[in-house]
Amino acid sequence: DAKTTQPPSMDCAEGRAANLPCNHSTISGNEYVYWYRQIHSQGPQYIIHGLKNNETNEMASLIITEDRKSSTLILPHATLRDTAVYYCLNSYGGSQGNLIFGKGTKLSVKP
Amino acid sequence: GAVVSQHPSRVICKSGTSVKIECRSLDFQATTMFWYRQFPKQSLMLMATSNEGSKATYEQGVEKDKFLINHASLTLSTLTVTSAHPEDSSFYICSASSWDQPQHFGDGTRLSIL
Repeated sequence: DAKTTQPPSMDCAEGRAANLPCNHSTISGNEYVYWYRQIHSQGPQYIIHGLKNNETNEMASLIITEDRKSSTLILPHATLRDTAVYYCLNSYGGSQGNLIFGKGTKLSVKP
Repeated sequence: GAVVSQHPSRVICKSGTSVKIECRSLDFQATTMFWYRQFPKQSLMLMATSNEGSKATYEQGVEKDKFLINHASLTLSTLTVTSAHPEDSSFYICSASSWDQPQHFGDGTRLSIL
């Protein structure tokens, strides 16, 4: 079973920031927080990952709480192409970590 | 970013046929490759994990004699569905990772068995 919980769906207006929450209260000390997204009929796309510190890349920002029990993925300016299922996962990373996918959050970006 | 190529993207074949799916990491050496299956409106389910040069480790309930996995090089893994039947119809997705790369996924293979 997945070790994270996410809301099943969210809506966001085009051009606005999309904030996707994730709870991972049982995360262990060496596990990373990973975010992927899956657009219909494609393989999942890697977005970002982090251990303790907040992270930012060209796609998104990842905010991890100090106790590491939850995190938020931020898409700063959502576009229609960001409509997808977003998955938050915990894993040890690299070649050591299996990803256990839950049901994710279906993000719908609306014009 | 890292690129994983999966081929073919779609296969339609008759019941009893064996089907081979290839997964290649194009710009990094993948020490570990993973195979997933996804049924309609469901999430990805891990089938097996393979390390280069070693036998694959299969998840509970996945038949190793039916789903043959070969990971002979650091850039190529193959999944062969042997004697496929309609219930094997699904979306098969591979991923590749290394010590310094998170898992990157291929675009999947939609397998339809008639």
